[in-house]
Amino acid sequence: QQPVQSPQAVILREGEDAVINCSSSKALYSVHWYRQKHGEAPVFLMILLKGGEQKGHDKISASFNEKKQQSSLYLTASQLSYSGTYFCGVMRPGAGSYQLTFGKGTKLSVIP
Amino acid sequence: DGGITQSPKYLFRKEGQNVTLSCEQNLNHDAMYWYRQDPGQGLRLIYYSQIVNDFQKGDIAEGYSVSREKKESFPLTVTSAQKNPTAFYLCATKDGPANYGYTFGSGTRLTVV
Repeated sequence: QQPVQSPQAVILREGEDAVINCSSSKALYSVHWYRQKHGEAPVFLMILLKGGEQKGHDKISASFNEKKQQSSLYLTASQLSYSGTYFCGVMRPGAGSYQLTFGKGTKLSVIP
Repeated sequence: DGGITQSPKYLFRKEGQNVTLSCEQNLNHDAMYWYRQDPGQGLRLIYYSQIVNDFQKGDIAEGYSVSREKKESFPLTVTSAQKNPTAFYLCATKDGPANYGYTFGSGTRLTVV
């Protein structure tokens, strides 16, 4: 069962902030975040392993609420290079070989 | 440089034909995966393999087959039984530690004509 991402799409002007959410109806072991530009391979951004964990990477950060079974990706002071589709991938307890189930993606467009 | 090579980049197939997509890696990663991507659907797992000579079905394995005879290679065959094979196919690998993410290949776009 795929996690649910929201919003499906968002348009930002340079410098604005955005939040992308990823929710699951089942317990989560970890959450991955990836960004994919059109026609390219997804690129790994970060992984959150523990409930309550927060991570940052430049102006992109994420949190993981294990009890609520959800994760959020925060993009601050957005740049044109942030445009792309963002996917969360969730790993559930007992899943074999770190197999991830991905959400349908959130398309982010940053305009000048 | 280490990485994943998927070939070909574009592939056209006639209905009723089997076709094999190549995935080769020199990252020395044990785990390898095949995902299918359709517009608006995200990435869906077809097959995965943890070690040589072993592989498991993912969520949408019907109409596909794989082999893992070498650590470096994980080819995917799209058979004629796959009803709607036109899609973007991504191969990925993962290093052992839990805090490492996937590395993806550049993908193969398959079109059935």
